[in-house]
Amino acid sequence: AQRVTQPEKLLSVFKGAPVELKCNYSYSGSPELFWYVQYSRQRLQLLLRHISRESIKGFTADLNKGETSFHLKKPFAQEEDSAMYYCALRAQKLVFGQGTRLTINP
Amino acid sequence: DTGVSQDPRHKITKRGQNVTFRCDPISEHNRLYWYRQTLGQGPEFLTYFQNEAQLEKSRLLSDRFSAERPKGSFSTLEIQRTEQGDSAMYLCASSRRGGAAYRSPWGYTFGSGTRLTVV
Repeated sequence: AQRVTQPEKLLSVFKGAPVELKCNYSYSGSPELFWYVQYSRQRLQLLLRHISRESIKGFTADLNKGETSFHLKKPFAQEEDSAMYYCALRAQKLVFGQGTRLTINP
Repeated sequence: DTGVSQDPRHKITKRGQNVTFRCDPISEHNRLYWYRQTLGQGPEFLTYFQNEAQLEKSRLLSDRFSAERPKGSFSTLEIQRTEQGDSAMYLCASSRRGGAAYRSPWGYTFGSGTRLTVV
């Protein structure tokens, strides 16, 4: 069975501080992992995917198969990063974690 | 084509009434998904279609819920005899699924959702 765990429901950091949003997954096959973001009053949108190993809006995420993790990181948080962040795993369908609400304090 | 559209944006209904939501996916996407999201939770999978075929239904989907995608384009989600516990945001998403060697590179595209309130 697919399962995604985001252990922190809330995370608050100061502007300019590093950010790490944790995500752990459980899946017997080869995982395909994503981070989605939902800004206030906007629809859910894709932030990044592990396959591309890209950096979007300064965020990166590395798949660690040994630790079954896909943590999202940004070295210097900005106020506009405040949003809900969802980690998701796809096999036949996307399965989401419960989300982490990130608040960046000025 | 500007993305995934859902209608209505908001629906308030009395307990026991039936409601129907519509989703129009991105035209070249052959897969369509329904999710439900309650406050403080991530989206929960309900069902998905590939073209007009409904390939999977979650155990969350009781007999009061039915979804259709008759022509492989838009989809409807109907809830019969609504209950207060059905109050949630209902999200639709679409993606493109090709042959075995192809995967949608960008995951799913989500609509804005239909917020259902059962009073």
